[in-house]
Order: sequence, then structure tokens, then C-alpha cells
Amino acid sequence: EDKVVQSPLSLVVHEGDTVTLNCSYEVTNFRSLLWYKQEKKAPTFLFMLTSSGIEKKSGRLSSILDKKELFSILNITATQTGDSAVYLCAVERGGADGLTFGKGTHLIIQP
Amino acid sequence: KAGVTQTPRYLIKTRGQQVTLSCSPISGHRSVSWYQQTPGQGLQFLFEYFSETQRNKGNFPGRFSGRQFSNSRSEMNVSTLELGDSALYLCASSANTATNEKLFFGSGTQLSVL
Repeated sequence: EDKVVQSPLSLVVHEGDTVTLNCSYEVTNFRSLLWYKQEKKAPTFLFMLTSSGIEKKSGRLSSILDKKELFSILNITATQTGDSAVYLCAVERGGADGLTFGKGTHLIIQP
Repeated sequence: KAGVTQTPRYLIKTRGQQVTLSCSPISGHRSVSWYQQTPGQGLQFLFEYFSETQRNKGNFPGRFSGRQFSNSRSEMNVSTLELGDSALYLCASSANTATNEKLFFGSGTQLSVL
């Protein structure tokens, strides 16, 4: 059975800290791994990773994939209160049969 | 460009009833997917429609069904509601059906079954 496991499930840090969120997966016919940010209801797309070792970066957020060890990390540097959200990791399999999501990491940034 | 629109935003039903949720994708997007989100299970894939045809289906009972119209708008129906169907139902659209890159999600319909 396909599995996507995120850790930690929740995290509370202070503004300005750097955080690392983890996502490990076991799926057949892996195609890509995606990260989403969910603040209220609608998840918004952050990154899509398909190749090992290539870092994707957007402002203070970055992510990397390790296809040998089957995991990805999402880094957020110099965190701000606006980064408070649930961060979702999802894996896409070949065959386009929908995304398999992890349960998310609930990140709280305290001022 | 308008985003993905889901209606209604909130819905309260009782066990045994049926419900229909609606989703209007971003203009030009032909693929619409539905997901169920609960605190215990997280986000789970229900089904995906493209050009009025169901292309993929997740592991949900037959009480969950959907359809897509010629204008790409989609509806999902849940019959004989159970308490466990209480969830946030999210719709997502995309232009490219070969990959799930950049799925655009709506704000969801929060369904409560009493």
C-alpha cells in the first residue's frame, strides 16, 4: 500500500527561526513529489520535485528530493508569522490516478 | 482569472440523506479532481474527470459518485450519508492531465452529517 509520512505532525517555533519539514514515501511507479501550503481551506502549490538532489527554491522556501532514500525536505528560513499553516506533501504516481497525501505538518510561528 | 469555485461553502445534512456538491474549474482547465479531507485520514483522492469522463477513481464506496459537464463544471454526489462522511470536500482543476503539477484547489465544501 502506498504511504506518505510527514514529520513532525506539529511544530511551534519563534519568528526568525529556520524549520525543516520531512516527508518520506513508499509508492509504486513514483513520478513526482509535491509540496502544498494550506492556510485555511485551499491548498496552494509550492514545489514539484522529480529529480534527486536538485534544490528548488522560492524566496525563503526551498525543497530537495532524495529518490534513493525516498524522502524530501522542505526548509523555511527566517520564518514569519505568515508562514503559519499546514504543509502538505503529496506523491504522484505514473498513471495519473490522483495524488497520495501525507497528513501534513501543522507549523505555528510565534511572534 | 477567477479561481476554482466550490458551492456551497457549508452544508449540514442528516444521516441517510444525499448531497450534491458543485465545482467550477478555472477557465480553460479541463481536468477536475475531488478530494476528501478529514482530521484522521488527511486528504484522500476521490476521482478525476476529464472531458466528461471519469479517468481515475480512488478507494471510496459507490455511494460517492461524480460527473462532469461539457463546460468542465463538475458535481459530486454522496448518497445515504453516514456520520463518517463529515469532511472538507476539495475540488482541484488543472490544465495538464498528464501530470498533477500545479493543481489549483478551491476553498472546499465543509459537510457536516448529523
